[in-house]
Amino acid sequence: NAGVMQNPRHLVRRRGQEARLRCSPMKGHSHVYWYRQLPEEGLKFMVYLQKENIIDESGMPKERFSAEFPKEGPSILRIQQVVRGDSAAYFCASSPEAVNEQFFGPGTRLTVL
Amino acid sequence: GEDVEQSLFLSVREGDSSVINCTYTDSSSTYLYWYKQEPGAGLQLLTYIFSNMDMKQDQRLTVLLNKKDKHLSLRIADTQTGDSAIYFCAALNQAGTALIFGKGTTLSVSS
Repeated sequence: NAGVMQNPRHLVRRRGQEARLRCSPMKGHSHVYWYRQLPEEGLKFMVYLQKENIIDESGMPKERFSAEFPKEGPSILRIQQVVRGDSAAYFCASSPEAVNEQFFGPGTRLTVL
Repeated sequence: GEDVEQSLFLSVREGDSSVINCTYTDSSSTYLYWYKQEPGAGLQLLTYIFSNMDMKQDQRLTVLLNKKDKHLSLRIADTQTGDSAIYFCAALNQAGTALIFGKGTTLSVSS
């Protein structure tokens, strides 16, 4: 049973470009969470999705950030018009029906030049 | 909002026990977690404890929960160099939708 998959593992963008981060949850998991880790910091919750629904987006910046988890395919975290402050590691986690166990992917490290 | 605090560094000798401490603010947190992160890697779930328990043991790991003081600890027995990593404490938020993480404790094990 493969774990949570994220790609790309490393992404470099110039200021103003778009970044698209992908997450495939563990098999059988229908709940996906995105977290952001800034250097020397813990993880900060961004958004919680189930298939085709956003359940909690209280941690998402109001502008430029969006997330989706379509019926088919991976969850996507999209950052438009990236700025240097978006440079961070973005982690995806998934869980089965019970929210209490969240399993994390290896992360995507975004660098904005 | 909820906050989770941990000490930033711990240094131990190989073979000793390590104790990593954590405090949290929201007494309604139903689950509390310990994750391990090695350099450049994702987070590995080590163990978690339900709030109606005060202790959980899993091989070399022992979790103690003092709900009255909102204090959680992780004890690693017979610490090995491979245990060197960052350890994150996390609490399930009140809505039950997300984990609130501490900033992590860097454990350094010397031989």
